[in-house]
Amino acid sequence: AQSVTQPDIHITVSEGASLELRCNYSYGATPYLFWYVQSPGQGLQLLLKYFSGDTLVQGIKGFEAEFKRSQSSFNLRKPSVHWSDAAEYFCAVGAEAAGNKLTFGGGTRVLVKP
Amino acid sequence: DVKVTQSSRYLVKRTGEKVFLECVQDMDHENMFWYRQDPGLGLRLIYFSYDVKMKEKGDIPEGYSVSREKKERFSLILESASTNQTSMYLCASRRVLSSYNSPLHFGNGTRLTVT
Repeated sequence: AQSVTQPDIHITVSEGASLELRCNYSYGATPYLFWYVQSPGQGLQLLLKYFSGDTLVQGIKGFEAEFKRSQSSFNLRKPSVHWSDAAEYFCAVGAEAAGNKLTFGGGTRVLVKP
Repeated sequence: DVKVTQSSRYLVKRTGEKVFLECVQDMDHENMFWYRQDPGLGLRLIYFSYDVKMKEKGDIPEGYSVSREKKERFSLILESASTNQTSMYLCASRRVLSSYNSPLHFGNGTRLTVT
């Protein structure tokens, strides 16, 4: 069965500083990987996705993520954080062999200091 | 823009009550999903539906059932609500072009409290 681990429950970062959120997955075959963001009181919004090809994926709001097969990781990065990036971030994995189901990580809550 | 609408933002119900959570999407998506979200546990899949009148159990279906009589509507039913079903419930939908490539579109959630 597929699984996703987000090791950091909370991260606090200063506005303008860089941000990296970790995501490790467990799955035997090639996964499909996603990052979603949830702002307070909102549903989840897709930031970016990886299926194949270039392992560095660009998303919305200035985010990018890098797929590293050897490390089973799909870390999310942003070079310079804005106060509006304060939210909860979820990594998710899906796979053809797993049918239509996505498995989500536990989430990382990002706090942005002025 | 895809819109997934959950009928209630907040619900308070008593133990033992039958509870209906409604979700409607306006983009003719084939797949629909119900997740519950709990702190530290992320989103866990309760049930999903490939298409009208079709349903599949997710990872935590116990205590829940679903109904999909029309393509745009997917209902989650708590037959007899219990306090451990207090949670945030999120509905999502997805178009099937190549289903694994299509992102999920989420509603804003229903926060259910069972007392």
